[in-house]
Amino acid sequence: DSGVTQTPKHLITATGQRVTLRCSPRSGDLSVYWYQQSLDQGLQFLIQYYNGEERAKGNILERFSAQQFPDLHSELNLSSLELGDSALYFCASSVLAGYEQFFGPGTRLTVL
Amino acid sequence: AQSVTQLDSHVSVSEGTPVLLRCNYSSSYSPSLFWYVQHPNKGLQLLLKYTSAATLVKGINGFEAEFKKSETSFHLTKPSAHMSDAAEYFCVVSDTQRTGFQKLVFGTGTRLLVSP
Repeated sequence: DSGVTQTPKHLITATGQRVTLRCSPRSGDLSVYWYQQSLDQGLQFLIQYYNGEERAKGNILERFSAQQFPDLHSELNLSSLELGDSALYFCASSVLAGYEQFFGPGTRLTVL
Repeated sequence: AQSVTQLDSHVSVSEGTPVLLRCNYSSSYSPSLFWYVQHPNKGLQLLLKYTSAATLVKGINGFEAEFKKSETSFHLTKPSAHMSDAAEYFCVVSDTQRTGFQKLVFGTGTRLLVSP
């Protein structure tokens, strides 16, 4: 158990809908990262937050957004969902930016 | 840009035999390299990491990897496979920006199959 928690574990929704994925980092970790794992794209970095501020963006679509709250938990918002957004979404955390990342168990999103 | 290439998409071994998972990296400078393991329906777990200290890195569960700069390789090995080693393994290179952001670049993964 990495200490990173993600909810929900599974999410099934329809095209055009909006969902929110939640991540609680390990106690004491200030940095949160979001990744997407899909069959065709593999594991891709989406976005990083550090102590509430966005630090870096990867291959994140404009329909997706994220934020990190004062208690350091983070949410990834996915809107206008398409079939191709079906994937496993991972959150990771590290004590500081640039340090070892610990991954959560993931949220499996299925868009029908 | 940093990148890694995992040379085998699948590796099959028998229980008790050695494991070799191959990874080559591309980097303009000395990189940080990692191996992560993903068991079915589980998150990613760090097996080991290389950060320019000893070139032979020991990890958890009996795994180790050797950094070879001349060959730009970071192959993962284990002397004797166990059934519980069956999983997907990812070779990862870290690209730390000036801002301190550590971008992880994942390989495509190698699925390790262990037969009794």
